[in-house]
Amino acid sequence: ETGVTQSPTHLIKTRGQQVTLRCSSQSGHNTVSWYQQALGQGPQFIFQYYREEENGRGNFPPRFSGLQFPNYSSELNVNALELDDSALYLCASSSEGHEQFFGPGTRLTVL
Amino acid sequence: QKEVEQDPGPLSVPEGAIVSLNCTYSNSAFQYFMWYRQYSRKGPELLMYTYSSGNKEDGRFTAQVDKSSKYISLFIRDSQPSDSATYLCAMNSARQLTFGSGTQLTVLP
Repeated sequence: ETGVTQSPTHLIKTRGQQVTLRCSSQSGHNTVSWYQQALGQGPQFIFQYYREEENGRGNFPPRFSGLQFPNYSSELNVNALELDDSALYLCASSSEGHEQFFGPGTRLTVL
Repeated sequence: QKEVEQDPGPLSVPEGAIVSLNCTYSNSAFQYFMWYRQYSRKGPELLMYTYSSGNKEDGRFTAQVDKSSKYISLFIRDSQPSDSATYLCAMNSARQLTFGSGTQLTVLP
């Protein structure tokens, strides 16, 4: 059984640029959630996708957007990057239950 | 006030000690409670998942939930240096998880 994978591992961007992060969910899981984790903090919920539809959103501006594909993989897009967007971005997958399993994360640095 | 409060530590204990990690919460709608372990620069790993008040044991780990007091705990028995990590409590009512800020634990050999 393959766990949750994310790409890329690390990314460096400059302020104002756009970025796309990718996530492949664990086999058998149809739900993907994205979280932002700043240094020394717990993860903060960005949004969740279930069967290709957004299924809940946290307190993040519209420049954070996402997609889920028919194979349940997902993308997180961030436009107009700001310095405060520097963080570890985590993807978690789940099935019909509430247990969420996380990937290794993508570390984004905005200069 | 944050919905979930967790003592950030850091917490340092000798090998073999019993470790107690705690979180309090304010949202009565939370129904599911989890503990994650996160090693440096890695994603969180699910350790324990509980629903009802009471204790749940898995090996050296015991999760305790007291819904009446809005208080959850994780106990680690016979702690090992490999347990050194950040421990995150998490809880949800719908699909989204709300996390504490994490407690950094170091187990000294």
